[in-house]
Amino acid sequence: GENVEQHPSTLSVQEGDSAVIKCTYSDSASNYFPWYKQELGKGPQLIIDIRSNVGEKKDQRIAVTLNKTAKHFSLHITETQPEDSAVYFCAASTASKLTFGTGTRLQVTL
Amino acid sequence: DGGITQSPKYLFRKEGQNVTLSCEQNLNHDAMYWYRQDPGQGLRLIYYSQIVNDFQKGDIAEGYSVSREKKESFPLTVTSAQKNPTAFYLCASHGQSGELFFGEGSRLTVL
Repeated sequence: GENVEQHPSTLSVQEGDSAVIKCTYSDSASNYFPWYKQELGKGPQLIIDIRSNVGEKKDQRIAVTLNKTAKHFSLHITETQPEDSAVYFCAASTASKLTFGTGTRLQVTL
Repeated sequence: DGGITQSPKYLFRKEGQNVTLSCEQNLNHDAMYWYRQDPGQGLRLIYYSQIVNDFQKGDIAEGYSVSREKKESFPLTVTSAQKNPTAFYLCASHGQSGELFFGEGSRLTVL
C-alpha cells in the first residue's frame, strides 16, 4: 500500500520567516495530494491541495509543489504569522483512500 | 451550517465496556470515514463506507465495528476487544472534489 513520510516532525520559525514541510510517497498511482492544518483539539482542515497533472499551486501565503518523478511534494508558507502555529499533515490519495503523513508541529515565535 | 458533527467530544470508558461514537453529516456525501489519531502517528484509517449499507475495513479495524444504515450517519463502536482504545477519533466525509471534510473529533479515555 501507499506509504507517506513527512519531515520535519517539529519546526520552529520566527514570525515573518518562511516554513517548508516535505513529504515523500511510495505509490506512483497516487494522484491527489492535500495538506491539512490541525489546531489543538480540533479536526484537520484542508488548506491547499494539488493534483498530479500540476507541478505547483499557490494560494496567498501558501504554496505546494509536486515532483512526480521523485515522488515528493512540499508545503511552503511565507511570511509566517503566530496563527500559523499548528500541526500540518500531508496526504497522498489513490482512488478513494487517503494515506497521511505523521504530521509536523509548526511553532511560529514572535 | 453544513458539516460533520461528532459526539460526544469527550468520553470515558471503563475496561471491558463497549462505547459508540456518533458521526452525522449534512453534506450529502456518499463516502464516510473513521480515523484514529495518536501522538506522532498521524491519522490511521479504521473503517470507511462508500455507500449506505456497505463498509470496508481500513488499516486498523480490529476491535472496532461500524454501521451505515443512513447516508447521514456512520457510528463507530469501540469494543472491549480493542486493547488500547485511548485516542482521538476523527470522522470525515468525502466530497466529489476529492476533499475530505473532518468533524471536530471525539477524545476517548479508558479509565
